[in-house]
Amino acid sequence: GAGVSQSPRYKVTKRGQDVALRCDPISGHVSLYWYRQALGQGPEFLTYFNYEAQQDKSGLPNDRFSAERPEGSISTLTIQRTEQRDSAMYRCASSPLAGGPDTQYFGPGTRLTVL
Amino acid sequence: EDQVTQSPEALRLQEGESSSLNCSYTVSGLRGLFWYRQDPGKGPEFLFTLYSAGEEKEKERLKATLTKKESFLHITAPKPEDSATYLCASETGANNLFFGTGTRLTVIP
Repeated sequence: GAGVSQSPRYKVTKRGQDVALRCDPISGHVSLYWYRQALGQGPEFLTYFNYEAQQDKSGLPNDRFSAERPEGSISTLTIQRTEQRDSAMYRCASSPLAGGPDTQYFGPGTRLTVL
Repeated sequence: EDQVTQSPEALRLQEGESSSLNCSYTVSGLRGLFWYRQDPGKGPEFLFTLYSAGEEKEKERLKATLTKKESFLHITAPKPEDSATYLCASETGANNLFFGTGTRLTVIP
């Protein structure tokens, strides 16, 4: 069946612009996670949702970053007033379970480049 | 401060040459230790979860073990298709994953 999809796959933007990254989880998956991965590093947790409720946003670097999942399915990660240090791969994962990170299925990621 | 350290950073093996990857952790309230495989350009793919010291899990040529301070991923008679970056991650009481930087494994035919 269809896996986790993310769009766009690549995004190049100018410093100061806002960007919105979309994640389409596997149908029926309860939990949705956002990670950021710098080149050569492991994925760094940002935030996660169970259904539409944001459970933990402790990994969001600052208040320019926000995420929503209004209907408990598709999620959007928004970065306002982008800065060059925001350049990274942003990965989304979904899980059929609520409350535990086991068996997360990752999407292909969105490569964000801020000029 | 919670830390997850993986070694070596990179490992080259001949096909059939068994070896182990190390993941050392210092976290408070470890709830689980996870191993992932990541191929270039792809998201991490879940391999194993270990919850308590002494636990072992196997999948094909891979076996993961856990002690109170570290986890090992043993690769027996690896094949070129095992080439990937292997990530370990700890789950803390905050219910999220804290990843190490990974070991890049190359298996040469």
